[in-house]
Amino acid sequence: EPEVTQTPSHQVTQMGQEVILRCVPISNHLYFYWYRQILGQKVEFLVSFYNNEISEKSEIFDDQFSVERPDGSNFTLKIRSTKLEDSAMYFCASSDWGTTEAFFGQGTRLTVV
Amino acid sequence: AQSVTQPDIHITVSEGASLELRCNYSYGATPYLFWYVQSPGQGLQLLLKYFSGDTLVQGIKGFEAEFKRSQSSFNLRKPSVHWSDAAEYFCAVGARGGADGLTFGKGTHLIIQP
Repeated sequence: EPEVTQTPSHQVTQMGQEVILRCVPISNHLYFYWYRQILGQKVEFLVSFYNNEISEKSEIFDDQFSVERPDGSNFTLKIRSTKLEDSAMYFCASSDWGTTEAFFGQGTRLTVV
Repeated sequence: AQSVTQPDIHITVSEGASLELRCNYSYGATPYLFWYVQSPGQGLQLLLKYFSGDTLVQGIKGFEAEFKRSQSSFNLRKPSVHWSDAAEYFCAVGARGGADGLTFGKGTHLIIQP
């Protein structure tokens, strides 16, 4: 069964450093998403990406965040200068055209120290 | 703005007993509704979804949910729970089209007693 894969599963970084979280969406999907889940809280939408550009973004997705699809398979989330409050589980998801049924990856746990 | 309320933070159920997890939503248009399950240290797995049609939808692992427009609810049910059902359950609402993200509830932590 096709799945969304994310790497790494866990990343520890120092405050102020840049991190790139990587995702390989399901191959025939067209929409890609990043979500965030701070420990003990709900899953929050960050951004959606379609046709090589951002479709929607939440107020959480400020200038320190960026997304990119550098090739035909990867989808990345970059955090330019990490803060302690960026510590969270980050989920990548993808969906097919015409539906919002999103398939989620296993997540990357980001710890900022 | 859309929102999802899951009023129960924790629910404890005995193995073999029935289960109902509550979900209420607020949404300006026709909602697309989902239930996801998250086991410890795992990602989100889709249990079931409602887009249109029959308001009682069947999902994986023996779960079902009923959409009630008049009550703005989408409660998840299972007739007989198994110890492996212990997990975090999230209700979510979204719009048709795919570009908008899903809005999730805060989740219900399900504990199964032997």
